[in-house]
Amino acid sequence: GAGVSQSPSNKVTEKGKDVELRCDPISGHTALYWYRQSLGQGLEFLIYFQGNSAPDKSGLPSDRFSAERTGGSVSTLTIQRTQQEDSAVYLCASSLVGGGGKSYEQYFGPGTRLTVT
Amino acid sequence: KQEVTQIPAALSVPEGENLVLNCSFTDSAIYNLQWFRQDPGKGLTSLLLIQSSQREQTSGRLNASLDKSSGRSTLYIAASQPGDSATYLCVNNDMRFGAGTRLTVKP
Repeated sequence: GAGVSQSPSNKVTEKGKDVELRCDPISGHTALYWYRQSLGQGLEFLIYFQGNSAPDKSGLPSDRFSAERTGGSVSTLTIQRTQQEDSAVYLCASSLVGGGGKSYEQYFGPGTRLTVT
Repeated sequence: KQEVTQIPAALSVPEGENLVLNCSFTDSAIYNLQWFRQDPGKGLTSLLLIQSSQREQTSGRLNASLDKSSGRSTLYIAASQPGDSATYLCVNNDMRFGAGTRLTVKP
């Protein structure tokens, strides 16, 4: 079956430009997560969606980062006025959400490699 | 902010050895615990998920246990193989990952 997909797979942009990263979760998964992994670093949580709402935005590193999710499906992560330190692999994951809001097994997409020059 | 610690940071073993990777959390309110592996330049592959009502899960040569009272999980790999070489990551429902354990299994 179809897994989590992300686009583009690679993105090179100039410093100061805005970028949009897209995530298509597994059909039926109501929870969606964004992470980033900088070179040689661990995974850093960015934001979590339950349906279309984002109860946890605590990981967004600055107000240049925003994300939205529409129709309980596709999500876009937008980075405005990109900086070189934004260069990283941005990973998206989705999961079912059980009763009480407890989320279950996360399935990851292949990631988008962002390079800011 | 919850801290997630994985020990050791790196591990190198000869093929065939059994090994244990450790993961601990500062907040022991764990709903579930998931172990992943990450191969260089690739995405994450889910290995095992332990629900809050479970103490362990097994898949092939892998066994993961969860001790909620102490906020710890271990991943046991039996009879390690060179193909097991990867970075192993744990994450709980708080969506915080550890830095991972980089495992190298030498043939």
